[in-house]
Amino acid sequence: DGGITQSPKYLFRKEGQNVTLSCEQNLNHDAMYWYRQDPGQGLRLIYYSQIVNDFQKGDIAEGYSVSREKKESFPLTVTSAQKNPTAFYLCASSKLAGGTVSPLHFGNGTRLTVT
Amino acid sequence: GESVGLHLPTLSVQEGDNSIINCAYSNSASDYFIWYKQESGKGPQFIIDIRSNMDKRQGQRVTVLLNKTVKHLSLQIAATQPGDSAVYFCAENFGGEYGNKLVFGAGTILRVKS
Repeated sequence: DGGITQSPKYLFRKEGQNVTLSCEQNLNHDAMYWYRQDPGQGLRLIYYSQIVNDFQKGDIAEGYSVSREKKESFPLTVTSAQKNPTAFYLCASSKLAGGTVSPLHFGNGTRLTVT
Repeated sequence: GESVGLHLPTLSVQEGDNSIINCAYSNSASDYFIWYKQESGKGPQFIIDIRSNMDKRQGQRVTVLLNKTVKHLSLQIAATQPGDSAVYFCAENFGGEYGNKLVFGAGTILRVKS
């Protein structure tokens, strides 16, 4: 089955540590995204990438970093500079068809808890 | 509809009834809209989408209505089932000067009573 795999499902870290969340897709989608979800709020875009070796900041990129070395993979690092890292993180991918937007397909998320 | 603070609006319906979930969007220039369903502990699942040149689109047991005059989107679920219980949220695409940028609402909780 094609889809997006995020791992791990739950992650616990001490404050001051960097942590990397994995996202892999086998949908052959060009674009990949990272969102953060907090209770009672809409998804907020952290970073996105439309092509290998290129990525753009979203609305809340501070304290995060990404890489896109392969089309299938878009890992997110939550650095110690992120002031409020505890959240549910969602990875998504989509097709790119010229300028036409298409639905995002989401993984099942990673819940990060930092204490 | 949209949420305020930590509390999402909740819609409770009896199994077998129809459900209508509403969403007020913000940008009159938005050209594309999506409805997602999110079950507890899972990622959002695509339900149905609609482009701004349409005012209605039907899927299997679901219908999306778009009223651009009042910037309102609704999702109708026919014969609601217990498996429909989830958080539903809409997303609008800020086109034009924004390029393509999806903006998500916080969601509405749907509870189905058996």
